[in-house]
Amino acid sequence: EVQLVQSGAEVKKPGESLKISCRTSGYSFRNYQMNWVRQMPGKGLEWMGTISPLDLETIYSPSFQGHVTISVDETIATGYLQWTSLKASDTAIYYCSRGFYFDYWGQGALVTVSS
Amino acid sequence: EIVMTQSPGTLSVSPGERATLSCRASQTIYNNLAWYQQKPGQAPRLLIAGASTRATNISARFSGSGSGTDFTLSISSLQSADFAVYYCQQYNDWPSTFGQGTKLEL
Repeated sequence: EVQLVQSGAEVKKPGESLKISCRTSGYSFRNYQMNWVRQMPGKGLEWMGTISPLDLETIYSPSFQGHVTISVDETIATGYLQWTSLKASDTAIYYCSRGFYFDYWGQGALVTVSS
Repeated sequence: EIVMTQSPGTLSVSPGERATLSCRASQTIYNNLAWYQQKPGQAPRLLIAGASTRATNISARFSGSGSGTDFTLSISSLQSADFAVYYCQQYNDWPSTFGQGTKLEL
């Protein structure tokens, strides 16, 4: 059974760093893109970026380039999304998903950034 | 960046009726289009990929059509479980992009 299990909710202050994870199982990790999608409160879905576990090629949406870093650890079939300096506007639910069209999704991780 | 535009923003329908949702791409995406359903508090769920291929375990009441720039998701015999927000997504080009969503309401 394919599963993407994300790390739990986080509460952070502006300027703090954060790394959230997406642990996968049930499929060949290296054969599927891993994507991150943001959903701000009450809003729609925004694709943030993708990484190929095969060659580590990473592509970011222009809206997120330079503000987040996407990475993977193939040895534990896990993907990561990280920030070095959070802003209040980063408050959102973040989903990981696999593939070019997203047939499996993580359950989402709520990140709250507030002073 | 390819812009995806969905219409209408909100669609009011009754159980048993048919709903037709539209999605337009700002340039051709061939058939590289997916549809998702999202209910409150849940992750999105893939309904359709390749513009017209239903995902695993998706009811035949859901059908997708179109190619190039104009696409449609049709839902027949609406049930209470179908009332949700629906998104289209193009995966023809990076960055992948979503439409803004259509809310299907009672």
